[in-house]
Amino acid sequence: GDSVTQMEGPVTLSEEAFLTINCTYTATGYPSLFWYVQYPGEGLQLLLKATKADDKGSNKGFEATYRKETTSFHLEKGSVQVSDSAVYFCALWRAQTGANNLFFGTGTRLTVIP
Amino acid sequence: SQTIHQWPATLVQPVGSPLSLECTVEGTSNPNLYWYRQAAGRGLQLLFYSIGIDQISSEVPQNLSASRPQDRQFILSSKKLLLSDSGFYLCACPPGGQGYGYTFGSGTRLTVV
Repeated sequence: GDSVTQMEGPVTLSEEAFLTINCTYTATGYPSLFWYVQYPGEGLQLLLKATKADDKGSNKGFEATYRKETTSFHLEKGSVQVSDSAVYFCALWRAQTGANNLFFGTGTRLTVIP
Repeated sequence: SQTIHQWPATLVQPVGSPLSLECTVEGTSNPNLYWYRQAAGRGLQLLFYSIGIDQISSEVPQNLSASRPQDRQFILSSKKLLLSDSGFYLCACPPGGQGYGYTFGSGTRLTVV
């Protein structure tokens, strides 16, 4: 079945460091891929998405490229800020019968220290 | 655009007490609706989904139940809470169209004591 495997955390970085959070997926067909972010005490917000191979999603300085050949959607940011401290979830969506069509990774907690 | 309302935001309940969490959706009709739970230090677990009024599917056996009495209302319930029911409960809805991700409510943090 469909699944998402996400880099385990927690990840602690200094401000202005480079961030990579790995995400790989297993799915038949052509899923859409997402990164969600959960700031402390809040619900989930969509950070970025890519709906087909080689698409690059970007938002707030974060980027992720849909790589079908490696079934990956790694999240990157060139220079993190303290305000980026949050939990990041990789997710997969695929059209199928029934309604269970959004699958999440386990989340990666990022802490950025000044 | 659609909006999901969840309440209450936080809840502390004793073991054995009943539970009712409510989720309502604005800005769309006949949406698929989902309840997820995030246990402390864990990822998101899909609990229930609904494709229409009174149409509920459960993903995992548990102490909880869900109901959908109206098109835009989704309720998560329990008759007797367990300590293991503690967690962060999120209601979600697809915004429409293919591959656009889901919209989430702000969540309810439940602590069972």
